[in-house]
Amino acid sequence: KQEVTQIPAALSVPEGENLVLNCSFTDSAIYNLQWFRQDPGKGLTSLLLIQSSQREQTSGRLNASLDKSSGRSTLYIAASQPGDSATYLCAVRKEYGNKLVFGAGTILRVKS
Amino acid sequence: EPEVTQTPSHQVTQMGQEVILRCVPISNHLYFYWYRQILGQKVEFLVSFYNNEISEKSEIFDDQFSVERPDGSNFTLKIRSTKLEDSAMYFCASRTVARQGNTGELFFGEGSRLTVL
Repeated sequence: KQEVTQIPAALSVPEGENLVLNCSFTDSAIYNLQWFRQDPGKGLTSLLLIQSSQREQTSGRLNASLDKSSGRSTLYIAASQPGDSATYLCAVRKEYGNKLVFGAGTILRVKS
Repeated sequence: EPEVTQTPSHQVTQMGQEVILRCVPISNHLYFYWYRQILGQKVEFLVSFYNNEISEKSEIFDDQFSVERPDGSNFTLKIRSTKLEDSAMYFCASRTVARQGNTGELFFGEGSRLTVL
């Protein structure tokens, strides 16, 4: 059974810092991995999707990497801003699978 | 930009009552999902739906739950007799078929908060 773990559970940083959020998964036979942002009481906004054959994806100040064989992904946020404050969720879809399995998320607070 | 829409945004109901949560997936998507998130817990998969039938369901999705695509645009989740533990945020999601040019990225709605009293 796929398990997804996110570290740290919470992170508080001053504005302008570069930061890394970590995601690990127990079964490396994945089809893709998605990073989401969730604001309090709101839905999930897709940030980046990495296919299993890819090593990284970039969107603006966000960069996600994937090391499938070791079961790890990182989300790098450059020059953090208070508007980046949210919960960041990692989710994986297994090979020949249909559903996403989610981690518990990292709660990020960027202080101005 | 196309989006998944859900109604209602919040529903309060008495234990034992039936609830229907509605979703309009993105129009060219073929796979539809319901997930839920109990306050403070992980987002959990409930059910997936493809080609007018359930393709996968979790242990949570018992006989009290059902899904339907009554027309070409709506996708509904029905809870027949709600329990206190059904209180959660319910998310609808959809995706297209993953093929060349399409990543199979999953798009979520804003959620329907269900409160069972």
